[in-house]
Amino acid sequence: QVRLVQSGAEVKKPGASVKVSCKTSGDTFTAYYIHWVRQVPGQGLEWMGWIYPNSGATNSAQKFQGRVTLTRDTSINTLYMELNNLISDDTAIYYCARELFVESMFRGAVDIWGHGTLVTVSS
Amino acid sequence: QSALTQPPSVSGSPGQSVTISCTGTSSDFGHYNRVAWYQQAPGTGPKLLIYEVSNRPSGVPDRFSGSKSGNTASLTISGLQAEDEADYHCFSYTSISTYVFGTGTKVTVL
Repeated sequence: QVRLVQSGAEVKKPGASVKVSCKTSGDTFTAYYIHWVRQVPGQGLEWMGWIYPNSGATNSAQKFQGRVTLTRDTSINTLYMELNNLISDDTAIYYCARELFVESMFRGAVDIWGHGTLVTVSS
Repeated sequence: QSALTQPPSVSGSPGQSVTISCTGTSSDFGHYNRVAWYQQAPGTGPKLLIYEVSNRPSGVPDRFSGSKSGNTASLTISGLQAEDEADYHCFSYTSISTYVFGTGTKVTVL
C-alpha cells in the first residue's frame, strides 16, 4: 500500500523559512511525479509545484517561483518543499500528493495524498 | 495563473442532479483533456473523483460524471445523496506545464 507520510506541524515567524518533508513507502520512489498543494483553512486548494524524483526536475506555479524549492533525497525516499520569506498569508495546510499513473501513462491528476502539514506563520 | 472559476455553492434535494461548472481560459485547458475533479468532505483531504475530463478511478460511483466544452469543464452528480455534501474542486493542466485548481464549490444536500 502506497503511503505518503508528512512531517509535523510547524510554527514560524514572518520572514523565516519552512521545510516540509514527505516520505513515501510502498512503491518505487523515483517513478512518480509528486505534487505539492496547499490549502488555507476554509479556502480552496492551491497548486504549488511538482517534482520528478527520478531526475530531480521541478516546475512550480508562477506565484511561488523564486520562493519555493522542491528537492528529494532518493536514499531515504523523501521529498521536501521549502518555502522562504514566509508571510501570514502562507498559513495553510501543505500536502504532498502522487500523480496518477494508469496504463503506463501519467494522467495529470493526483490520487494519493499525504495527511497534510499545518504551517502557521505568526509573529 | 489565476484560479479557475467555480460557483461558490450549489444545492439540491436527495435524488436530484446538480452540475458544477469550472471555467478557465484557453491557456488553462488548452488542447489537453487533463481536467480532474476532487471531493473534500469537512476535515478531510481531497479525494479524486474524475480524471482526464470524464474518467472515474475504481471505486468512484458512476453517479459522478465529467465533461468539457471549450473552456468550461463540468461535474455532474446524479441521484444526489446526503453523503455527497462536501466541497468540490476542479484541477487542470495548463499550457505552461503547470497546474491550477478551481475556486471550489460547496455542495449542499437540502
